[in-house]
Amino acid sequence: RKEVEQDPGPFNVPEGATVAFNCTYSNSASQSFFWYRQDCRKEPKLLMSVYSSGNEDGRFTAQLNRASQYISLLIRDSKLSDSATYLCVVNLGFSGGYNKLIFGAGTRLAVHP
Amino acid sequence: DGGITQSPKYLFRKEGQNVTLSCEQNLNHDAMYWYRQDPGQGLRLIYYSQIVNDFQKGDIAEGYSVSREKKESFPLTVTSAQKNPTAFYLCASSIEGGTGAEKLFFGSGTQLSVL
Repeated sequence: RKEVEQDPGPFNVPEGATVAFNCTYSNSASQSFFWYRQDCRKEPKLLMSVYSSGNEDGRFTAQLNRASQYISLLIRDSKLSDSATYLCVVNLGFSGGYNKLIFGAGTRLAVHP
Repeated sequence: DGGITQSPKYLFRKEGQNVTLSCEQNLNHDAMYWYRQDPGQGLRLIYYSQIVNDFQKGDIAEGYSVSREKKESFPLTVTSAQKNPTAFYLCASSIEGGTGAEKLFFGSGTQLSVL
């Protein structure tokens, strides 16, 4: 089983749609969680951290469920510019001198007119 | 503007050749990292460095080498011992230790291909 698993997609949705991605992780000791956005052949960029209480940033909402070991990302009112790959990232904690981050393979979103 | 610069954007390696990927940052970050990205897989850590003149192997260090002679620079050499070097290579940096250290800033990447 992969340490961090994501549905690879692609999710093809029309503009204005609401879309949700899930990500599951295997290590119950995971300490912090993030969503990154990556455009094709470009660098990943931090989209948002994920907190236990859930957090929202404009059209984006992230949720964490520690009991079931998954995190989610909800995008409302999808825009064409949201088309990208969304990477789920889990931090296992600071050990050996660095934060051990585990990256999911990503979920691809394609928003069409 | 502060950021991380990787060069070249595209690189081709011949059989038996060593190639070096450049990574420079002006964010004043102590920690720097090299990741490899393959299609359908998550990023995997090759090497990391917390401070000048110190670096540690990550999960897939075999066939790679690094140096950290300056805070701003963390070049990666892909040696001939790396038999499957074709991948997208990403350099990253972060503040060292504490809250926020897990948030990475990435360079724009280098696509390495084998001729």
